[in-house]
Amino acid sequence: ILNVEQSPQSLHVQEGDSTNFTCSFPSSNFYALHWYRWETAKSPEALFVMTLNGDEKKKGRISATLNTKEGYSYLYIKGSQPEDSATYLCASIPGGGYNKLIFGAGTRLAVHP
Amino acid sequence: DSGVTQTPKHLITATGQRVTLRCSPRSGDLSVYWYQQSLDQGLQFLIQYYNGEERAKGNILERFSAQQFPDLHSELNLSSLELGDSALYFCASSSRDRPTDTQYFGPGTRLTVL
Repeated sequence: ILNVEQSPQSLHVQEGDSTNFTCSFPSSNFYALHWYRWETAKSPEALFVMTLNGDEKKKGRISATLNTKEGYSYLYIKGSQPEDSATYLCASIPGGGYNKLIFGAGTRLAVHP
Repeated sequence: DSGVTQTPKHLITATGQRVTLRCSPRSGDLSVYWYQQSLDQGLQFLIQYYNGEERAKGNILERFSAQQFPDLHSELNLSSLELGDSALYFCASSSRDRPTDTQYFGPGTRLTVL
């Protein structure tokens, strides 16, 4: 069974703090990793798609890294703002030729002014 | 706005009934995916269609079925509904059928089974 795990489950930070979360996935059966941002009452919004070991992606104040050998990815937010408050989901696509996104439970971020 | 549309937005029905959820992908996208978000579970992959053909299947119940039509819209049919089928159902679409394709999610259909 392929499990994608995210930690921490929730996080409260102050405006201006930088923060990071972890996504772990089985490294033995990996093809791609997707990160999503999911605000309450909206639909998940794609942030990054990553495939290569050592890959780094950046979008504004948000960046992500990928380690496929040890099976983890980090998502970083620099200088958190209240509008960054959301649940951040990662999803792994295992090898095998199918595009099933296997989602983690998410990290719920609350940024307090 | 992702460009993916889903109807209806909310659906309330009774146990034993059958419902149909509809999804229109982004213009030009060939793949449609269905996901279920239950209260006690994360987003679960149900099924994928690519250009009208079933491409991948997740833990989709036998009471559930889906199809993708020639105009590429998709429908998810849920029958003999049970209380546990109450969930948020998302449709997503991507341009092709590659693992690196971004999947764009629709606004979801919230199904409540009473």
